[in-house]
Amino acid sequence: AQSVSQHNHHVILSEAASLELGCNYSYGGTVNLFWYVQYPGQHLQLLLKYFSGDPLVKGIKGFEAEFIKSKFSFNLRKPSVQWSDTAEYFCAVNEDSGAGSYQLTFGKGTKLSVIP
Amino acid sequence: EPEVTQTPSHQVTQMGQEVILRCVPISNHLYFYWYRQILGQKVEFLVSFYNNEISEKSEIFDDQFSVERPDGSNFTLKIRSTKLEDSAMYFCASKGLRFGDGYTFGSGTRLTVV
Repeated sequence: AQSVSQHNHHVILSEAASLELGCNYSYGGTVNLFWYVQYPGQHLQLLLKYFSGDPLVKGIKGFEAEFIKSKFSFNLRKPSVQWSDTAEYFCAVNEDSGAGSYQLTFGKGTKLSVIP
Repeated sequence: EPEVTQTPSHQVTQMGQEVILRCVPISNHLYFYWYRQILGQKVEFLVSFYNNEISEKSEIFDDQFSVERPDGSNFTLKIRSTKLEDSAMYFCASKGLRFGDGYTFGSGTRLTVV
């Protein structure tokens, strides 16, 4: 079974600092990769996704992620964070296993706290 | 933009009671999912549903759980006899047919078992 690892449990940054959240997955076949954000008390919102093509993916709110297939990684970046980015960030993967249910496997999440 | 709707947003139930969580997926989506998130933990897959049957389920989805699509629009998760450890946020999601289609999540139902 595939797994998703997020390296940082809790990241604390000052406003305007740059952000990079790590994500690695274990599956060696064809995958789709996602980053979701969960603001306090709210549901999961899609930040960005990678299906194919350009490995540098741009999402909403100035976030981007780079898919590096050789490293099985899909790290999330933002050049300058804002207080409003305080949230929990989840990396997720689904695989084209042929089984067809395409369920997402989530990482444990990284809590980001941005200090004004 | 189309949404996945979940009701209720919060449900409190006594241990041993049955609960039904409701979801209305996006109308032209064909895959439906239930996930749960215990407070402070990661989002876990429970079950996927396609073509009116369960296509995959996790080990969490034991005999106490069942899913149904009774009328072509609602997608329900039933927990037959709730336990304290069932307390969690339950998310419904739906997706289109193709592998590359995106997922849309509902706002979740917070289930509290007392």
